[in-house]
Amino acid sequence: EVRLVESGGGLVKPGGSLRLSCAASGFTFSNAWMSWVRQAPGKGLEWVGRIKSKTDGGTTDYAAPVKGRFTISRDDSKNTLYLQMNSLKTEDTAVYYCTTDHVVYAVIEYFQHWGQGTLVTVSS
Amino acid sequence: DIQMTQSPSSVSASVGDRVTITCRASQGISSWLAWYQQKPGKAPKLLIYTASNLQSGVPSRFSGSGSGTDFTLTISSLQPEDFATYYCQQANSFPLTFGGGTKVEIK
Repeated sequence: EVRLVESGGGLVKPGGSLRLSCAASGFTFSNAWMSWVRQAPGKGLEWVGRIKSKTDGGTTDYAAPVKGRFTISRDDSKNTLYLQMNSLKTEDTAVYYCTTDHVVYAVIEYFQHWGQGTLVTVSS
Repeated sequence: DIQMTQSPSSVSASVGDRVTITCRASQGISSWLAWYQQKPGKAPKLLIYTASNLQSGVPSRFSGSGSGTDFTLTISSLQPEDFATYYCQQANSFPLTFGGGTKVEIK
């Protein structure tokens, strides 16, 4: 059974930093493309970014609102995905989900399995 | 960026009803569209991908159709566990974007 468990959320002041983790099990993590998706309170879903598997280059892509502030990385030896968030803004307040990507033709990506999410609150 | 517009934003229906939700893309996305179901306080769940492919384990009362810019999610006979919010997502190009959601409520 695929299991994704996020951690690291909490309350942080504007301009601060936070690192989220996502512990994965039940599948071959090193082969997986992984994404972060967030959801502001009472709002819809927003893709944050994605990291490919190392065998597919390990490249990352980000949504414009977080590019240059957020960094996705992975430790395949620990089956763990990370999201380093710097220069946080109040509008980054959201539940952050990690997902496994269902990849079609090596370019099309859907979000197949989801963790339970971790809440990040940015407030002074 | 490709904008995804869902309609209606909410729908009231009864158990056994047929429910149809539409999703329109601001430009053509071929068939690269997925549908997700989200219940309150829970993570979204993938229902359908590539417009009409049912994800493993999803009941056959769910179906998807469409291509280009117009897509539809149909629940053929609404069950109590189907009351939730549904989102579409385009996978044609970055940034990957979602529709605003359609809440299916009990009538």
